[in-house]
This record gives sequence, structure tokens and C-alpha cells, in this order.
Amino acid sequence: DQQVKQNSPSLSVQEGRISILNCDYTNSMFDYFLWYKKYPAEGPTFLISISSIKDKNEDGRFTVFLNKSAKHLSLHIVPSQPGDSAVYFCAASAIQGGSQGNLIFGKGTKLSVKP
Amino acid sequence: EAGVAQSPRYKIIEKRQSVAFWCNPISGHATLYWYQQILGQGPKLLIQFQNNGVVDDSQLPKDRFSAERLKGVDSTLKIQPAKLEDSAVYLCASSWTDQETQYFGPGTRLLVL
Repeated sequence: DQQVKQNSPSLSVQEGRISILNCDYTNSMFDYFLWYKKYPAEGPTFLISISSIKDKNEDGRFTVFLNKSAKHLSLHIVPSQPGDSAVYFCAASAIQGGSQGNLIFGKGTKLSVKP
Repeated sequence: EAGVAQSPRYKIIEKRQSVAFWCNPISGHATLYWYQQILGQGPKLLIQFQNNGVVDDSQLPKDRFSAERLKGVDSTLKIQPAKLEDSAVYLCASSWTDQETQYFGPGTRLLVL
């Protein structure tokens, strides 16, 4: 039973346009959400996070939106750059349980940004 | 600041053999995690240490997998005996505390033949 779902295995966008990556979750106990970026042969790199008390968090070109009622979050990258081409993982945890430790990851979405 | 170090980067073994992976976390990070990432899936937590104590090993197949973190710094993950389905990337991550962001190492890619 997948608790965190990324239903799009891949996404292709043109350089300079917006990239929107989506993520759905089923566990209502999740209260902390993260996005990680992964290049081939490297470990995941933390990108941005959001607590369930917020509905938006912004960091430069990256913005994460959280819709708790729909159990949905999305990552917006504006403008997209070729260096953003990577696999993006959505992850969630129930931090009020005392630990962020057990991050539940989605399967990832491979983003390709074409020049 | 040096990142999380892991070795070896690649390992090929035959089924029923044993294998060990090593992780050196970011200096000062009290919490250390081992994840298993099977091809096409997201990482799955195997075990979490706080200093040298185990916090969560509920998803560790304890009949064949073991892990330790002596002196609360480096950690080793062992598989004995390995099965074909253990083929995966094994990722180590660390964080200042269990409430902080996790930083991942490059991983060890294991192939069991």
C-alpha cells in the first residue's frame, strides 16, 4: 500500500517554462513533507520542505504548495533550467510522532528540461 | 563541510554470500539512517540510529540484515546470506537530530547474482 504517490514517472518541459511535479498521500497523520532531487549515481539532495501548518513555502525558483484537504502537494520550478533535469522524490513523515526519521518516499518523477 | 561518505560504491556478489557496507556520517550528526532503494522505487527506511542506539528497525529483515553504529559515529550494514531480491542501492543518511533534514550519501549499488 503506497502511502506517498507520484503518479507521473516522467515530465518534459522547455527551458524557461514552469515545471510542476505532483504528489499525493493517503496517511492523514503525515505533517511534514519534503522534496529531494537525485542525479544519477548520487544520493538524494534535500530541496525544500513544508510543514502541515503552512500551505506554501518558497525558496528561490522552487515553491511547494500543500493542499491538506486534498492530501496533495506540488513542487513548482520557475523558470526551469537544464540543470534541473533529475529525478524528484516526494517524501512525508509524521513528525508529531516524535521523529522525522521514518520518511516515506514516492517512486519519483524524472524531470527533463530541454534547452 | 564534508558530506556523508559510503563505501564501497559498487558490489557484485553471488546469492548466499555475505556483504558489508560502511557509512561515515557528517561530523556531529547524531542520527544515522540506512535506506534501501530498489530500482524504480523510492528509498525505504531500514534502520535509524540515535547516537549508537537503535531507534527504529521495524523494517529491517533481521533474519539476514544487521547493522551497528559503534561509538555513535561510523556505521556498518551487513547482509548474510544475500538473496537476489537484495539487489538495490543502499543509502546512508545523517542529520543533527531526528527532527532535522536528512543528508544522503552517494549510496552503494549492490548486485546479487
